[in-house]
This record gives sequence, structure tokens and C-alpha cells, in this order.
Amino acid sequence: AQKVTQAQTEISVVEKEDVTLDCVYETRDTTYYLFWYKQPPSGELVFLIRRNSFDEQNEISGRYSWNFQKSTSSFNFTITASQVVDSAVYFCALSRGSGGSARQLTFGSGTQLTVLP
Amino acid sequence: ETGVTQTPRHLVMGMTNKKSLKCEQHLGHNAMYWYKQSAKKPLELMFVYSLEERVENNSVPSRFSPECPNSSHLFLHLHTLQPEDSALYLCASSRSGTRDYEQYFGPGTRLTVT
Repeated sequence: AQKVTQAQTEISVVEKEDVTLDCVYETRDTTYYLFWYKQPPSGELVFLIRRNSFDEQNEISGRYSWNFQKSTSSFNFTITASQVVDSAVYFCALSRGSGGSARQLTFGSGTQLTVLP
Repeated sequence: ETGVTQTPRHLVMGMTNKKSLKCEQHLGHNAMYWYKQSAKKPLELMFVYSLEERVENNSVPSRFSPECPNSSHLFLHLHTLQPEDSALYLCASSRSGTRDYEQYFGPGTRLTVT
């Protein structure tokens, strides 16, 4: 069975602070994919990144960066110099790498990030 | 229209009503999904359609009935719902059979059952 744990239910920071959202996953598969999604108050989940289990290189996209460590089964997300517009619920998700034409996502329970002005 | 659209955005219905939620994707994808998001719960996958065939039904009560007439449209037919079915219902789509299969979500339908 697959499982995603986001232990931080809520985080509050002041604008321009850096913040890291934690994600720990469990899977027995050797091939799998990890994702981060952002859900602003409007409700729509916005895709941020996909990572496969064979690529442990960290990724940076603007103020966003992701740290994937297979040794600790973690896929953490850091926002540098946070802004008020970053306020949202952030979800980490996991899918199997094979076995079907449509991949099911297992989501964590989400982290509510509030960035204060 | 671009991306994934859902209608209506808000719906209030009584327990004896019948209504349908509609999802349309404009991304050329061939897999579509229904999720339920309740307060303080992780997103729950309800149904998966790939190439217009249902490939997954995660023990969803029969009062929820999906329909996928083509690869661009997905419906969720609702009847005899319970108050605990009140939630945000999200539709998503993705490519299938390739490596680039991240799911793209619509804005959701906020359903209230009275």
C-alpha cells in the first residue's frame, strides 16, 4: 500500500521568510512518481512538479525548490522569499510507475501555508 | 476554454433530488478522474476512466454514477444523496500510456446536500 504523510497541518510565516513543507512517503514499488500540487482558496489544484524515483536531482524553479531523498523517503518543498500569493494548501502525492494506463494518485492530507504581510 | 472546466461551480440539492456534475477537458487527454474532497480529509479518488472505459471504482456508493461519453467529457450523476456527501468534487484529466501523466484539475463543484 502507498502512503503520503504531511505532518505539518498548518504553517504561518511572514512575507520574505523561507519556508519548507515536508513530505514523507511509503511505497514498495521501485518505480514511482512524486508530485506537488497547490490549492489556492479558489479550489483548483495546480500542478507544480513531477519527479520519478530514478531522478534524485534537486530541482529549482524560481522561488520554488524541491529536495528528493530516497534514503529518507522524503520529497520536501521549499519556497524562498515567500509572498502573500503563496498562501494556499499544498499537497504532496505519489503514484505507481507502472501497472495501468491511468495512474492513481495517493495524496497527503495537505499543509495550509499562510504568508502574512 | 482551456484546461479543465467544471459546471456547476456550486450546487445545493435535497436528498431526494437528482442532479449531474459535468467536467470537460480541453487538453487532448484520454484519462479522466473524479475526486471527493471533504473538510479535513485527504482527497479521495472515486472513479478513473481511461480511453472512455472505467478502470477504477474505489468502493463508491451507488448513489454516485459516473458517465464518460467521450475522452473530453465526464459526468457524475447524483441521486438520493446524504448530508455527508457534501464536499468539493474535483475532476482531473491526464494523458495515459506515456510518462508525462500528471493530472490537471478543474476548479471543482462545491456540493451541499440539505
